[in-house]
Amino acid sequence: EIVLTQSPGTLSLSPGERATLSCRASQSVSSSYLAWYQQKPGQAPRLLIYGASSRATGIPDRFSGSASGTDFTLTISRLEPEDFAVYYCQQYYSAPRTFGQGTKVEIK
Amino acid sequence: EVQLVESGGGLVQPGGSLRLSCAASGFTFDNYWMHWVRQVPGEGLAWVSRINGNGRSTNYADSVKGRFTISRDNAKNTVYLQMNSLRAEDTAVYYCTRDRIVGINDAFDIWGQGTMVTVSS
Repeated sequence: EIVLTQSPGTLSLSPGERATLSCRASQSVSSSYLAWYQQKPGQAPRLLIYGASSRATGIPDRFSGSASGTDFTLTISRLEPEDFAVYYCQQYYSAPRTFGQGTKVEIK
Repeated sequence: EVQLVESGGGLVQPGGSLRLSCAASGFTFDNYWMHWVRQVPGEGLAWVSRINGNGRSTNYADSVKGRFTISRDNAKNTVYLQMNSLRAEDTAVYYCTRDRIVGINDAFDIWGQGTMVTVSS
């Protein structure tokens, strides 16, 4: 099973700042098979990024994803008030599909 | 509108059973792999099970294998999760979701609102 480790656990930032979230895989994950989700309290997760760097339908371009080996990054260029939430990475390269433990982006 | 709506959650005693349903609309249901994902309140997401378009191929997480059964009725555009021998650690919100692209492993692009299952005496 591929273990995904997200860091940091919590990111305290102000609106307008840049957020950089990391996700490290325990073994090789093809870049085509890594996704990022956003989840707000009481809501279902929402797909932001698939294939490590492709934005899902309707996702603003302040969200971007990148990959380098087993390290994946989600960047929010300028935080909007609605971006404060928990973010999860997920691999769908091998079974079982696994998620990282999440990074909470909170208002500083 | 593409939509998934779960139902069937509730309070059940340890060792009991429950069947969750997920009604799909707005897309060609029988083309898609469908999945169940669960989330313990305050914790992360965990994949539970999946079923292919014709219902003949299924997979399960080790934690539920032998106790949970996924199935689908394409005439009703509905996927089910039969949960038997429930344990306290099965307490979670259960989400129904689908692969983004037909026929290949992909990200989960559509999610239901979730249904809460509580296993407690």
